[in-house]
Amino acid sequence: GAVVSQHPSWVICKSGTSVKIECRSLDFQATTMFWYRQFPKQSLMLMATSNEGSKATYEQGVEKDKFLINHASLTLSTLTVTSAHPEDSSFYICSARDLGGQQETQYFGPGTRLLVL
Amino acid sequence: GQNIDQPTEMTATEGAIVQINCTYQTSGFNGLFWYQQHAGEAPTFLSYNVLDGLEEKGRFSSFLSRSKGYSYLLLKELQMKDSASYLCAAMDSNYQLIWGAGTKLIIKP
Repeated sequence: GAVVSQHPSWVICKSGTSVKIECRSLDFQATTMFWYRQFPKQSLMLMATSNEGSKATYEQGVEKDKFLINHASLTLSTLTVTSAHPEDSSFYICSARDLGGQQETQYFGPGTRLLVL
Repeated sequence: GQNIDQPTEMTATEGAIVQINCTYQTSGFNGLFWYQQHAGEAPTFLSYNVLDGLEEKGRFSSFLSRSKGYSYLLLKELQMKDSASYLCAAMDSNYQLIWGAGTKLIIKP
């Protein structure tokens, strides 16, 4: 299957700092990428849909000024958590839609675990 | 509204067969996905159904009935490594995935 990478896999930062997470599709072009957040023992929650060359679409309740998304190329989307606070500590997972295959499938990156102290 | 229902937890024995059910209600429909998620890891893709019927892929099979808004994931010859959460997700008319809460599958020796 298609490969999606995420970097970094672990981040520990101080409250008030900003953290950037990268999501890359390694062997396919992804015009659309998705950013999810998952709290322990809970389901995936879609935060935003990232479209290459245009503004991201945020889900209700997600602050677009806090979670900055940039999808500047067909293989890279970034999520920046600005002025992070302890409540932002979570597992952030990106996925990329592979339209080149026989079926429309989202492939997930390995996730980034963020801990804000 | 849009909704996905699947059992919270299931227990099965190593070597046995288990069926995880999923019912969905979405605005439009563009397919039903099953993902496996081990604790602390991101989900991995298992199957995709967009037409009615059974899709078999090794030890895993997935079934879809669009008229009933129903799918199941069938796992055969269970192995201990199959202990994980299994996520059902339906794709709506906007190609957004609507996620179930996941079914935690516990495999006992």
